[in-house]
Amino acid sequence: GESVGLHLPTLSVQEGDNSIINCAYSNSASDYFIWYKQESGKGPQFIIDIRSNMDKRQGQRVTVLLNKTVKHLSLQIAATQPGDSAVYFCAERGYGGSQGNLIFGKGTKLSVKP
Amino acid sequence: GEEVAQTPKHLVRGEGQKAKLYCAPIKGHSYVFWYQQVLKNEFKFLISFQNENVFDETGMPKERFSAKCLPNSPCSLEIQATKLEDSAVYFCASSQSHNQPQHFGDGTRLSIL
Repeated sequence: GESVGLHLPTLSVQEGDNSIINCAYSNSASDYFIWYKQESGKGPQFIIDIRSNMDKRQGQRVTVLLNKTVKHLSLQIAATQPGDSAVYFCAERGYGGSQGNLIFGKGTKLSVKP
Repeated sequence: GEEVAQTPKHLVRGEGQKAKLYCAPIKGHSYVFWYQQVLKNEFKFLISFQNENVFDETGMPKERFSAKCLPNSPCSLEIQATKLEDSAVYFCASSQSHNQPQHFGDGTRLSIL
């Protein structure tokens, strides 16, 4: 079946360091991936997305890497700040009979130490 | 509006009562999605709409759950005869098309006592 999961449930980094959050997916037919940041009491906030015809996409301080060979997705945050502390979810767009809806991974909690 | 607006923020119901949640998508967005998040963990897809039409309802527990998106009204998710296991945060998201990023509201926390 389809599933998206994360390698590390928690990640603690020092302010100013770079953070890398990883995600594995199982459906090789998936064509769209997205990263969300969720702060306590809030809804998921869109960070960055990537389609399967790309292997890298950059935003402001964030980079998403997609390795289709091993079905792996990562989010890199440069110069991590205290405001980056949150739970990060990767999500995969449902494919086949359920196109459109997102299939979320379990989430990684990022804690930034000042 | 420019944000997905969900109401109420918190809803408390006794077991067996009805619960109704509302969502106003971002203006201009044609697609609306409902998700359930339990214990701040994984999101479970429930149902999606393209305008007022059901787009995908494969995640919907049809026995007690229903949803609508009517013209000129907020979308709604209704749960009949609520159970303790329905306690969760229900999120609504909207997007311009089904393959564009989904933007989420801040959810409705449903507590069943």
